[in-house]
Amino acid sequence: EADIYQTPRYLVIGTGKKITLECSQTMGHDKMYWYQQDPGMELHLIHYSYGVNSTEKGDLSSESTVSRIRTEHFPLTLESARPSHTSQYLCASSELMGYKGETQYFGPGTRLLVL
Amino acid sequence: KNQVEQSPQSLIILEGKNCTLQCNYTVSPFSNLRWYKQDTGRGPVSLTIMTFSENTKSNGRYTATLDADTKQSSLHITASQLSDSASYICVVIDRGSTLGRLYFGRGTQLTVWP
Repeated sequence: EADIYQTPRYLVIGTGKKITLECSQTMGHDKMYWYQQDPGMELHLIHYSYGVNSTEKGDLSSESTVSRIRTEHFPLTLESARPSHTSQYLCASSELMGYKGETQYFGPGTRLLVL
Repeated sequence: KNQVEQSPQSLIILEGKNCTLQCNYTVSPFSNLRWYKQDTGRGPVSLTIMTFSENTKSNGRYTATLDADTKQSSLHITASQLSDSASYICVVIDRGSTLGRLYFGRGTQLTVWP
């Protein structure tokens, strides 16, 4: 069982609200990721980080922002939620990149519904 | 365009039966391929990791195969159990960048009936 946690697991909010999705890992991994996944669809990378004070945007354009102040913590923030943000958000972490054998460990996900 | 295609999209089998899931990819240059299992409402969990030099890898009742020449992989599940009901995702990693970009398939939704 991977030691990566996400809160909340489920969130229903109204349009225009500011929300922060929490992600923490206790494995000491340098690399962390945020993915967005709609039902029956593939995961899309929206943010990643190589380490503290490092954040990059992923392949899928997202209005969310992230921060990496501590190695173990990688929160995602939406300043003003909209119905189009309704989705499942998955956080993952891995050890520094190698071409063989690196595994991403995923959190349980946050299911977000914006009304 | 780098892509990962999985088939079938969904599959229903009876408990105890075997099944095979397919993954075709066009990702190049290829680094490695992973199969993940994702239970409903949970994050994906890694089942196998295969590099281009590996043809077969097993993890309990799960056996993955890889043909790097034809760019095809399969995941064979033996003696299925109810707990095997999940989405199985094929992920291909390229080695064309320092990030080692991951390409995700949409998954095969497997349902095992008693």
